[in-house]
Amino acid sequence: DIQMTQSPSSVSASVGDRVTITCQASQGISSWLAWYQQKPGKAPKVLIYAASSLQSGVPSRFRGSGSGTDFILTISSLQPEDFATYYCQQANSFPFTFGPGTKVEIK
Amino acid sequence: QVQLQESGPGLVKPSETLSLTCSVSGGSISSSYYWSWIRQSPGKGLEWIGYIYYSGSTNYNPSLKSRVTMSVDTSKNQFSLRLISLTAADTAVYHCARAQRDPWYFDLWGRGTLVTVSS
Repeated sequence: DIQMTQSPSSVSASVGDRVTITCQASQGISSWLAWYQQKPGKAPKVLIYAASSLQSGVPSRFRGSGSGTDFILTISSLQPEDFATYYCQQANSFPFTFGPGTKVEIK
Repeated sequence: QVQLQESGPGLVKPSETLSLTCSVSGGSISSSYYWSWIRQSPGKGLEWIGYIYYSGSTNYNPSLKSRVTMSVDTSKNQFSLRLISLTAADTAVYHCARAQRDPWYFDLWGRGTLVTVSS
């Protein structure tokens, strides 16, 4: 199985801050990576697929980049509704696997 | 819009069988999506269990393959998960989700249902 790691595990930030989350795959996955946002008690919501494609309806302040083994999710200007946990997921090969998550907290 | 809703028991005894159903509303299950189960626990995080296509073809996570069966009922617009020989390690929130292919990603999720395995 492909192992996914994320850093940091948590980050404290203020509204308006730029936030960067890193995801690393244990082997190359080309651009087959998705990012999800999850709020407490809610279902995960896809933000980015194929590493850099923005899901319809997702604000443009969310940006995904990377390929191979290293990927980045950037939130350009953090908004109050962005405080949540973010997960990456590799879609290169079965079984699909997820990162452990990065919690974005209010500073 | 399309919505997914999980249903099933919240408490199951060790060694018993879990049966969960996901009801699809606002759209047809007989479409070009892959209907999936994903579970989430504090210890293991998010774990993909597998998917079923409306034709009945399946793909399971090898780590669970010996214990998992998925089925689909197109007349009821539902798909189901059956997991046998439960242990405490199967305690988790179970989500149903819809997967797009090429590229693969989960574009719609249910809120999930908590399943606790305990005597």
